[in-house]
Amino acid sequence: DVKVTQSSRYLVKRTGEKVFLECVQDMDHENMFWYRQDPGLGLRLIYFSYDVKMKEKGDIPEGYSVSREKKERFSLILESASTNQTSMYLCASSRTGVVNTEAFFGQGTRLTVV
Amino acid sequence: AQSVTQPDIHITVSEGASLELRCNYSYGATPYLFWYVQSPGQGLQLLLKYFSGDTLVQGIKGFEAEFKRSQSSFNLRKPSVHWSDAAEYFCAVGSFTSGTYKYIFGTGTRLKVLA
Repeated sequence: DVKVTQSSRYLVKRTGEKVFLECVQDMDHENMFWYRQDPGLGLRLIYFSYDVKMKEKGDIPEGYSVSREKKERFSLILESASTNQTSMYLCASSRTGVVNTEAFFGQGTRLTVV
Repeated sequence: AQSVTQPDIHITVSEGASLELRCNYSYGATPYLFWYVQSPGQGLQLLLKYFSGDTLVQGIKGFEAEFKRSQSSFNLRKPSVHWSDAAEYFCAVGSFTSGTYKYIFGTGTRLKVLA
C-alpha cells in the first residue's frame, strides 16, 4: 500500500522559532509537494521538488524553504515562524513521466504558531 | 493561467438524496482532472481521475464525474448520498509547466449530510 508519512499530526511552536516539517514517501516517486490548506482558500502550493536537490517555488513560497537530500524525504522549513503561518500543511508525492498520475497525500500536519 | 473553480463553498443534502458538486477549470491544453475527498483531520484521498477517452468516469465510494469540454466542467455526482460522505471535496487539474508537472486545486466544497 502506498504511503506518504508526515512526521507530526499536530505541532505548536512559538513565534520566531525555526520549524521543520518532515515528509517521507515509500513509493520511489520523483515528485514531492508541500501545500498549505486554509479555510476558503483550498490547497496552495508552497514548493515542489522533481528530483533530489531540485526544487521550485510554488504560489506562496515566502517565509518557507525546503530541502530534499534523499529521494524519499522532503522537508519544509519555516525559518522564523509567524502567527500567519498557522495552518494545515499537506505533503504529497507523484510519479514523473505519467501524465494522468495522481498525487498521493500524507495525513497533514496542523501547525499552530503562538 | 491555469485555474480551478468550485463555485459552491458549502452544500447540504439529505441522506439518500442525489448529489452534484460543480467544478470548472481553465487550462489551455488537454486537461488531466481529479476529484479528491478529505475527511475531517485527514489527508486527501483520490476519488477518480480523467485523462482521456470516455467522458464519464467511475470512482470509488459510488462517485462518478462527467467531463464536458464545451463547458470546461468536471462535475462530481452520486445518486444516493450516505452520511459517511460528509467531507470536503476538492477538484484539481494536472498542469505541465516548464517541463514539470504539478496539481492546481480548487477551493473545495464542504458537504453536509442531514439524517
